[in-house]
This record gives sequence, structure tokens and C-alpha cells, in this order.
Amino acid sequence: AQSVTQLGSHVSVSEGALVLLRCNYSSSVPPYLFWYVQYPNQGLQLLLKYTTGATLVKGINGFEAEFKKSETSFHLTKPSAHMSDAAEYFCAVTGISGGYNKLIFGAGTRLAVHP
Amino acid sequence: SQTIHQWPATLVQPVGSPLSLECTVEGTSNPNLYWYRQAAGRGLQLLFYSVGIGQISSEVPQNLSASRPQDRQFILSSKKLLLSDSGFYLCAWRSGGPPNQPQHFGDGTRLSIL
Repeated sequence: AQSVTQLGSHVSVSEGALVLLRCNYSSSVPPYLFWYVQYPNQGLQLLLKYTTGATLVKGINGFEAEFKKSETSFHLTKPSAHMSDAAEYFCAVTGISGGYNKLIFGAGTRLAVHP
Repeated sequence: SQTIHQWPATLVQPVGSPLSLECTVEGTSNPNLYWYRQAAGRGLQLLFYSVGIGQISSEVPQNLSASRPQDRQFILSSKKLLLSDSGFYLCAWRSGGPPNQPQHFGDGTRLSIL
């Protein structure tokens, strides 16, 4: 089945530590990949996207993600966590399960950052 | 620049009452429009999407309906709310052009059913 999997529903890191949020997808066609962040009681904000070209993409707030086709992965990283990064993060893919009009979302990963 | 507006921000309704949530987009033409629901502690569930006026695709059978009376207006409705309709409702839009364009989300409506 075509899907998006985010490993770890909760991730906790110390302030200043590396952030790594994992996303794997299954698709039979070239996908377009996105990461979104959601702060409490707010909508989703686009962090970054991969469409074509360079496989390492940089986004807002110091986040970046690397598309690895051989591993069907699109993991999100940030070298040094900040308290303000505490939020829920969603990986999303289009191009699977019904075409490019729809996004397929992962279940989300809640990131906690402690002092 | 494009903006998306959703209202109201919060809503408390009794079981069995009707519902109307509105979403409008400014600064773009012929967008794709979407309604999602996010239940407490859950991910996003696509409810409806529309690629043009009067064109509605329903993803999940339920007692909700959607309409698109104007190009940049998307309305989510119900005739009789159920307790299970509680949740955080998000509207989103995407450019109707190239498929690599991301969706952009509104600030959401928190719906509580009593």
C-alpha cells in the first residue's frame, strides 16, 4: 500500500542537540515531498519541499531535509535545537494514492525540546 | 501575496445543530481547495477537496458536506452535528497549476460538540 511513515510519534531532545525526524514513503511514481510544522492551535506551516533537482533542501528556521530515493526517505534535520522548535511535524507526499491533487500525510511527530 | 482566511476560530455547538464553516482565499485564481479534520492527538484526515467551482470530491463518507459557490470560497456544512464531529478543522489551498506546488493552510477552527 502507498503510504507515509513517520518513525517515532514523540521525539525529545536537549536544547542545542541535533534534531532528526524520520519520514519514509512508498510510491510507484516520482513523488513530491514536504515537511510541515504545526504549533498548538495553529494551522500547518510549510517548512520545506522537494520537487526535483538538488536532493538536499533547506527550509525555514534552520531545518533541512534530504531526499534519498534508494531509501525512499525524506528525513528532517536541524543541527541545533531551540526551545521554539517544540511543535508537531508532519511529512507529506503527493503523487501517490490518487494523483497530485492530494497530499498524503504521515501521522506526525511531536518534538519536545528541554533545557 | 496570497492569504487564506478561516472563521470562526472556535465554535461550540450542541449535538444535532447545523454547522457552517467558511474559508476564503485571496490573491490567487482557480485554486485547489481542501478541508481537513484533525481529531485530538490524531493526524490529518482529508474530508473534501475541490479543483473548481461546483466540483467537490468527498474522501470520507460522513454527515458533512462541502460546497464551493465561488472560485475562492469553500464552505463546510452539516445539517445535524454528531459528537464525533468534534475536532480541529483546517482549510487549505494550492495553486491549480504545476503539481509540485505545496498546500497552504489556514489557522483552523476548533469545533467542540456538547
